[in-house]
Amino acid sequence: AQKVTQAQTEISVVEKEDVTLDCVYETRDTTYYLFWYKQPPSGELVFLIRRNSFDEQNEISGRYSWNFQKSTSSFNFTITASQVVDSAVYFCALSATSGTYKYIFGTGTRLKVLA
Amino acid sequence: DVKVTQSSRYLVKRTGEKVFLECVQDMDHENMFWYRQDPGLGLRLIYFSYDVKMKEKGDIPEGYSVSREKKERFSLILESASTNQTSMYLCASRSTKGGGETQYFGPGTRLLVL
Repeated sequence: AQKVTQAQTEISVVEKEDVTLDCVYETRDTTYYLFWYKQPPSGELVFLIRRNSFDEQNEISGRYSWNFQKSTSSFNFTITASQVVDSAVYFCALSATSGTYKYIFGTGTRLKVLA
Repeated sequence: DVKVTQSSRYLVKRTGEKVFLECVQDMDHENMFWYRQDPGLGLRLIYFSYDVKMKEKGDIPEGYSVSREKKERFSLILESASTNQTSMYLCASRSTKGGGETQYFGPGTRLLVL
């Protein structure tokens, strides 16, 4: 079975704090992709990053960074020096090659950044 | 930039009406998807289409149908709208070339069925 777990339903931080959003996945496939999306209040899901299962390098993009660890089946997302504009729901998703059309989404983590 | 557009951001319909939700993508993507998003349930796949005139049921197809007559357009049809179809509907598209797996989403349609 394939599954994505985002155990944190809601997180509140004060502006400029660092925050990590957790994502744990399950799959038996050896080839798969992991994604993070941001959904601001406007509703559109904005693609943030894609990582394939053979690339365990961490990625940094500005204030965003991602830590992919196959040993713990985790793909965590850290926002450094959070800003109010980071307030959104963040979704982690898995796409495995055995079901290539289908994404398995986590239930999302709502991040509130307070001024 | 990939652009996925949806015909309406907000829609209010009455029970029993036939409802059409339109999605258009401009990147020549083969695959297109319709999801609904409900609080506490996350995103659930309604239907998807591999290519023109091809469609497959997702996890919750009951009460819905789809049409894909042109590559760029994927329509979701609620044959007889019911109040339990009040939801946020999200369309997505994806290329199958070059191992691309990324789905790009439209802005969503918030549908209220009274």
